[in-house]
Order: sequence, then C-alpha cells, then structure tokens
Amino acid sequence: GAVVSQHPSRVICKSGTSVKIECRSLDFQATTMFWYRQFPKQSLMLMATSNEGSKATYEQGVEKDKFLINHASLTLSTLTVTSAHPEDSSFYICSASTTGGRRAFFGQGTRLTVV
Amino acid sequence: SQQGEEDPQALSIQEGENATMNCSYKTSINNLQWYRQNSGRGLVHLILIRSNEREKHSGRLRVTLDTSKKSSSLLITASRAADTASYFCATDFPLMDSSYKLIFGSGTRLLVRP
Repeated sequence: GAVVSQHPSRVICKSGTSVKIECRSLDFQATTMFWYRQFPKQSLMLMATSNEGSKATYEQGVEKDKFLINHASLTLSTLTVTSAHPEDSSFYICSASTTGGRRAFFGQGTRLTVV
Repeated sequence: SQQGEEDPQALSIQEGENATMNCSYKTSINNLQWYRQNSGRGLVHLILIRSNEREKHSGRLRVTLDTSKKSSSLLITASRAADTASYFCATDFPLMDSSYKLIFGSGTRLLVRP
C-alpha cells in the first residue's frame, strides 16, 4: 500500500519557539494532504487541508497564523507550529490521498511537547 | 469538527470473543470508512462501505451500514490480543479538487485480554 512518512516522531521544544513537522508521500503523488490534531484518548480533529501549490484551507477555529502549512510539492507538506505554547502540546498526524481517492494514508504521527 | 459518536467509548473483552462497535453520524454520506489506530501511532484503513451497501466483509471484520438510522457497526469476530487498538469510523466529504476529506467519529478503545 501507499506509504506516508511523518517526521519527527517526537519533538520537545521550548515555549516561544517554532517547530516544523514534515509529511511525505513516499511512493505516490499526493494531490491533497491533511493535518489532524489528536488529544489523549480523543478523536482526530481535522485542522487543515493542503493542496500542492496553493494555500491551505483551515477548519473553523484553527489559527492559520499559528499553524503554517506549506505544500511545496506533490510529495511533501509541512506544518509549522509557530511561537509554540504548552497548550499546543499534542499528537499531530498527517494523511495523504490521491485525486479522487477516498481512502487516506496516514503518517506515523508526531508527539509535540512544549515546555 | 466531529461527524458523530461511537459507542462504546471503551470495550474490554476476552480473546476469542466478538467485539462490536457502533458509529452514528449526523449528515448524509457518500461512504463510511473504518480505521484502526494502535496507541501513539497513525491510522490504518480497515474497510470502506458505500452508501448503497448494507453489509461488507473483510476477513474477521464485518461492517454494516444503516443510512436510515445514520449508523454503522464494526464487528470483529474471534478477537485476538493483537486487535487491541482504537477504532474510528469516518465519513468522507468531497472537496473542490475531487479529493475527499475525512471527518472522524469519537472512537472506541478496544482491549482484548489474552
């Protein structure tokens, strides 16, 4: 099956710094990538949808200046958490799909801890 | 936003027993999918059922869909300890670029005791 690689798997950063998370589709071209946030023992909340070469579409309530998304190529999307605060600590997961594809392929997730 | 609720929130069974998880959703759907998530990992696609289908099987998995009740169920038969995970239903919504975004249910945490 299609493989999506997310990096890093864990990151600890200080308050006020920025953190970049990468999501790569390794063996297929992902026209659309999705970023989710997940709190412990809760479901995945869609943050934004990104398309290669265009601006991301953010879900209601998600701060676009806080969570910067760049989809520079058909195989790479990045999420940058800017000026991180402890409340940004969470599990972030990306997924990718192909044009017309209903099935999503997920990365392994990134555990972000802001201290 | 979440599409709907799943119940139970948590389920603990003995190995060999069957596990049933239910998902209810709010809006009309094209398809409904089930995913599995091992603790601290990404999600793995299990099965997709179309809105015009009522039942679908894949190995030990059986999924039903009742669009009149806006509900779906996932049955895992002859459970194994390795089935311990969280299970999520998801409905897909078409986007302008012909792709689909997934909205997940609240999930069921399944524990299969050896």
